[in-house]
Amino acid sequence: SAVISQKPSRDICQRGTSLTIQCQVDSQVTMMFWYRQQPGQSLTLIATANQGSEATYESGFVIDKFPISRPNLTFSTLTVSNMSPEDSSIYLCSVLAGGPREQYFGPGTRLTVT
Amino acid sequence: GQNIDQPTEMTATEGAIVQINCTYQTSGFNGLFWYQQHAGEAPTFLSYNVLDGLEEKGRFSSFLSRSKGYSYLLLKELQMKDSASYLCAVRDARGNTPLVFGKGTRLSVIA
Repeated sequence: SAVISQKPSRDICQRGTSLTIQCQVDSQVTMMFWYRQQPGQSLTLIATANQGSEATYESGFVIDKFPISRPNLTFSTLTVSNMSPEDSSIYLCSVLAGGPREQYFGPGTRLTVT
Repeated sequence: GQNIDQPTEMTATEGAIVQINCTYQTSGFNGLFWYQQHAGEAPTFLSYNVLDGLEEKGRFSSFLSRSKGYSYLLLKELQMKDSASYLCAVRDARGNTPLVFGKGTRLSVIA
């Protein structure tokens, strides 16, 4: 298994500003992902965080808006840039650990943009 | 393209049995997953099916038919704590690809 922590757990931000969310895993993992969950909705994949190279973004998400870093096998950051109220959401870090069936989720970061 | 459908909401009585259905259309298939998510919490893994048939784990069972693109999650002896969202997710390719999620089914268990 994998234990995932995220910082901050929640934040309230003003439009036009940026927020960086940190994800820390208690063991080395090959694959790390970032998901978004808008109010009352399911999870939407933003990108795969690749160690040592640029993240792989899903359709509708771009690097300028959601820059991602992954400096090593236990840590990643997601930045939400130039925020608008539409970015209000829960952002979840997720990892694959122990095999393809074992995908774990962090506790999420609840972001409110005013 | 990818399409995963499940009912938006369901209500069931404490002690009863409820079946949550999921249909999927994906470009590939390498496993179907069910997650439980309580309000304000992270999703937690419930079950995994990659072959046709029924997988039973305590009060929860999950069924898969690959030819029909269909799965269900069966919850028996419902308890109030089972009130949560249940997310159906598919891994659509081999290897370490991320899960694609349906919109989730919000289950309310009533007395």
